[in-house]
Amino acid sequence: RKEVEQDPGPFNVPEGATVAFNCTYSNSASQSFFWYRQDCRKEPKLLMSVYSSGNEDGRFTAQLNRASQYISLLIRDSKLSDSATYLCVVNLNFGNEKLTFGTGTRLTIIP
Amino acid sequence: DTAVSQTPKYLVTQMGNDKSIKCEQNLGHDTMYWYKQDSKKFLKIMFSYNNKELIINETVPNRFSPKSPDKAHLNLHINSLELGDSAVYFCASSHPLRQRDSPLHFGNGTRLTVT
Repeated sequence: RKEVEQDPGPFNVPEGATVAFNCTYSNSASQSFFWYRQDCRKEPKLLMSVYSSGNEDGRFTAQLNRASQYISLLIRDSKLSDSATYLCVVNLNFGNEKLTFGTGTRLTIIP
Repeated sequence: DTAVSQTPKYLVTQMGNDKSIKCEQNLGHDTMYWYKQDSKKFLKIMFSYNNKELIINETVPNRFSPKSPDKAHLNLHINSLELGDSAVYFCASSHPLRQRDSPLHFGNGTRLTVT
């Protein structure tokens, strides 16, 4: 099992639709969780942290399910500008201080 | 205003050459990193430094030598470049990860092409 695993997509979604991604992680003792967004030929940028109780930022909702070891990202009322690769990032807490990235899920919003 | 800046943005060089990439952050972070993103877009950590001290070396060939003159700078020197070194190299910084909710802040990347 990969340490941090995502469906690579691509997801092609019509504008205005709701889309959700999941990401599974291998270590139940994992700590911090994040969603990043990466546009083509750009650096990854923090989209949002993921908190235990779930959290929302505008059209974006992130949730953590510790029992099943996954995090999710929901995008409502998708916009053309949401087209990007979404990266799941986890501090797996294997005793060293590093954040492990998933391979990313590519999203394209279609007009 | 730039938080994490790395230079150069593009680097094209021939096999066997030695090159360096520089990185600086003005966020006051103690921890800095080098990540490599290959052609399949997978981001993999190479090195991590905390307050000038190496804390992670992810089995990177010793042709790669990071150097941190102070906690705001982490440079990457690569000797005897190989074709397989072609990738985008990202510098990043953060507060210590043991503090929860310590995201990474990335530089805009250095696209290295070895011919």
